[in-house]
Amino acid sequence: SQQGEEDPQALSIQEGENATMNCSYKTSINNLQWYRQNSGRGLVHLILIRSNEREKHSGRLRVTLDTSKKSSSLLITASRAADTASYFCASFYNNNDMRFGAGTRLTVKP
Amino acid sequence: DAGITQSPRHKVTETGTPVTLRCHQTENHRYMYWYRQDPGHGLRLIHYSYGVKDTDKGEVSDGYSVSRSKTEDFLLTLESATSSQTSVYFCAISVSDGPFNSPLHFGNGTRLTVT
Repeated sequence: SQQGEEDPQALSIQEGENATMNCSYKTSINNLQWYRQNSGRGLVHLILIRSNEREKHSGRLRVTLDTSKKSSSLLITASRAADTASYFCASFYNNNDMRFGAGTRLTVKP
Repeated sequence: DAGITQSPRHKVTETGTPVTLRCHQTENHRYMYWYRQDPGHGLRLIHYSYGVKDTDKGEVSDGYSVSRSKTEDFLLTLESATSSQTSVYFCAISVSDGPFNSPLHFGNGTRLTVT
C-alpha cells in the first residue's frame, strides 16, 4: 500500500503563478520529505519537515505539515519554467522504510 | 549526485536471464538503498543495506537479492528476470548516519527492460 498520496496528479500553471501540491499519509510519521525529479534523472531532496514542526521554508518553497489531518503541502511561489518537474512526498514510516507517493507532475508554461 | 554511479544506465534482457545492477558511491556512507519506480506507484523500496554484509528487505523484495561486500558497492540481482521487473531502478544513500531520518541522495537510475 502507498504511504503519501499526492494531489493533484498533474498541475499546469503559468510562469509567475504559485503552485500548491498536497500529500496525505496513512500512519504516524517521524518526518515527511519532499523531492523533485526532472525527466530522466534521479530524485533530488528539497525539504524535510519533522513531525513536531508545522512549517518550513527554503527559498521559494514552503512546506506545511498538519499531523492531525495526516497531510502536508508544498507551495512553490513565483514559479519558473525551470520548476517543471515531478514532485514527490515521502513519509518516514518506521526505522526501516520510507514510503513515496506517486507524485505530482508540474508544468510551468513560460 | 553525491558521488553515486549506477551501471548500466540502460539494459534490455530476456525473460529468465539473470541481471545484476551496480551502485557505487565514492563516499563512505553506511546506508544504501535500491528502489524501483513505476508509473502510478512512485518509488518502492526493494532492499537496503546498513553496512557491509548487512542487508534487509523492503516493500517489494520478491525476485530480487542484494549483496554488499564493500562499503562503496551495493549490487542488486534479478535471479531470473520477468517482464514485471521492467522498471527504472534507483540507488540511494543516506548522507547522514541515520536511515530514513535524513535526506536521501539518488543516482540517475538504470532503465531495465525485460522482453
